[in-house]
Amino acid sequence: DVKVTQSSRYLVKRTGEKVFLECVQDMDHENMFWYRQDPGLGLRLIYFSYDVKMKEKGDIPEGYSVSREKKERFSLILESASTNQTSMYLCASSSAGARDTQYFGPGTRLTVL
Amino acid sequence: SQQGEEDPQALSIQEGENATMNCSYKTSINNLQWYRQNSGRGLVHLILIRSNEREKHSGRLRVTLDTSKKSSSLLITASRAADTASYFCATLPPGNNRLAFGKGNQVVVIP
Repeated sequence: DVKVTQSSRYLVKRTGEKVFLECVQDMDHENMFWYRQDPGLGLRLIYFSYDVKMKEKGDIPEGYSVSREKKERFSLILESASTNQTSMYLCASSSAGARDTQYFGPGTRLTVL
Repeated sequence: SQQGEEDPQALSIQEGENATMNCSYKTSINNLQWYRQNSGRGLVHLILIRSNEREKHSGRLRVTLDTSKKSSSLLITASRAADTASYFCATLPPGNNRLAFGKGNQVVVIP
């Protein structure tokens, strides 16, 4: 079974802090994605990566950056957290880009105070 | 950009009944996928239907796709309390490399 894990289920940070969200997958997938999910807005793509050290902006990349130094790990970085980044963050991976099934982690609920 | 739109937005049914939800989209697609999300958890892939397919089954799930109407439906037969979840459709336009998710459809199955 594909397993995608995220470093924290719940996280509380203060405005201005630098925040790291980690995602690890164990299926040797080339592609990894970061989404945020907000009530009434559904899932929105922040960034995705189709190979090590490769990244591409999604629909809402502002205020975020990503890092993919190893194939199995994809990190989302909030350089200076703000209250409007309070959200559920979901990581996903797939073997063939968006054409194929995406496997999701359990999510990290981030609260920025 | 978000493209899939599920309808109805919320559905409440008795255990044993069938649940049907629809998804409409605006542009042509390569495939359409349905996902389930239990409260506060990640999404789980249910079924993928390609643009040249009209119907697909998986256990108690039946998905149809009408590309002329740009719509899809997900039918859950003989629903169970464990089917209580949000259901999302996601579309992949041709030549694109990112899924567009709908806003989700909340289904509550009453035991």
